[in-house]
Amino acid sequence: DTAVSQTPKYLVTQMGNDKSIKCEQNLGHDTMYWYKQDSKKFLKIMFSYNNKELIINETVPNRFSPKSPDKAHLNLHINSLELGDSAVYFCASSQLRGGRLETQYFGPGTRLLVL
Amino acid sequence: QQQVKQSPQSLIVQKGGISIINCAYENTAFDYFPWYQQFPGKGPALLIAIRPDVSEKKEGRFTISFNKSAKQFSLHIMDSQPGDSATYFCAASIHTGNTGKLIFGQGTTLQVKP
Repeated sequence: DTAVSQTPKYLVTQMGNDKSIKCEQNLGHDTMYWYKQDSKKFLKIMFSYNNKELIINETVPNRFSPKSPDKAHLNLHINSLELGDSAVYFCASSQLRGGRLETQYFGPGTRLLVL
Repeated sequence: QQQVKQSPQSLIVQKGGISIINCAYENTAFDYFPWYQQFPGKGPALLIAIRPDVSEKKEGRFTISFNKSAKQFSLHIMDSQPGDSATYFCAASIHTGNTGKLIFGQGTTLQVKP
């Protein structure tokens, strides 16, 4: 069973379009994240949700809107796509126990290419 | 101050050799230091992690050495194998409210030659 899954795996689209990426985790974690990995492989956190509540928003343009319908799902909607949005987007989940961050488990990534 | 600096950017090691990757940080509020391994086309996966109250942690061929006073930590891969060829990321965790976030280093691409 896949712990953290993402769809789609690949996304090729034109500049200006709107697209969504979906993420689901079956680990029972209460915290989920979106990370962006650029062409130089640098990983940077974008958002964090805890129990469906937005906790971290790392100064991401408001064209990016995450939504968490429940603890197990975190989706990312991107409006008016730009060339610079081309990257690999990773979803991750973890459990905070006793104020300590436990291991973050990453999904397989969604490779977004904006033409 | 929330940066984690990782070096080298790339590393080539012969099979059976020792691979060493170094990381440094500034923020003393970091309280969890994991290393992630990423193969091409895959998501990062936790390899080994350490908390700042210990100076060393070993799991199989992988060892983290942690120097709290110097604010540095490193990953040692003993008896490196071609299957270890991947990108390695160090990270540091900081808590924000009721969640935490990982700050990643820039990554090291390791190639182990047979």
